[in-house]
Amino acid sequence: GAVVSQHPSWVICKSGTSVKIECRSLDFQATTMFWYRQFPKQSLMLMATSNEGSKATYEQGVEKDKFLINHASLTLSTLTVTSAHPEDSSFYICSAGDPGGRSTEAFFGQGTRLTVV
Amino acid sequence: KQEVTQIPAALSVPEGENLVLNCSFTDSAIYNLQWFRQDPGKGLTSLLLIQSSQREQTSGRLNASLDKSSGRSTLYIAASQPGDSATYLCAVRSTFNFGNEKLTFGTGTRLTIIP
Repeated sequence: GAVVSQHPSWVICKSGTSVKIECRSLDFQATTMFWYRQFPKQSLMLMATSNEGSKATYEQGVEKDKFLINHASLTLSTLTVTSAHPEDSSFYICSAGDPGGRSTEAFFGQGTRLTVV
Repeated sequence: KQEVTQIPAALSVPEGENLVLNCSFTDSAIYNLQWFRQDPGKGLTSLLLIQSSQREQTSGRLNASLDKSSGRSTLYIAASQPGDSATYLCAVRSTFNFGNEKLTFGTGTRLTIIP
């Protein structure tokens, strides 16, 4: 299947700083990528849909000014957590589909564990 | 709005037993359903993908079934092993449009296989 790579796999940052997470499609082009968040002992919740060359679409309750998404190319989407606070500590994971039509499966990155201290 | 529920939330069984995990969804108009495995602190491993037109999919000791009309899917694990211990998530995709592969996830079942 298609490969999605996410970096970093974990990060610890101080409260008030910003953190950037990268999501890359390695062997296919993804016009759309998805960012999910998972709090401890909970399931994954969709945060936003990242669209190449246009603004991201955010789910209800997700602050677009806090979670900046940039999808500047067909293989890279970034999520920046701005002015991070301890309550932003979570597991963030991205996914993409393969618009080439080889599969209808959603492919996921390895996830990023963010800890804000 | 699609809601996905998994029962039970946690399950412990002795090694070697066969077991069934359940997933239900409120809107039967789905495009496909995926089962994932998540190890503690790790990402997702895709196990099986069932298209809405399919009834089941098999991979090794895993068999997933889908009854779209009743909004249910089951994951059957045969001859369980300690290495099967993980959280199992089901997720549904509601649209067929390429570029809209977002998923709605279930609450997960935390499985523990006792040696």
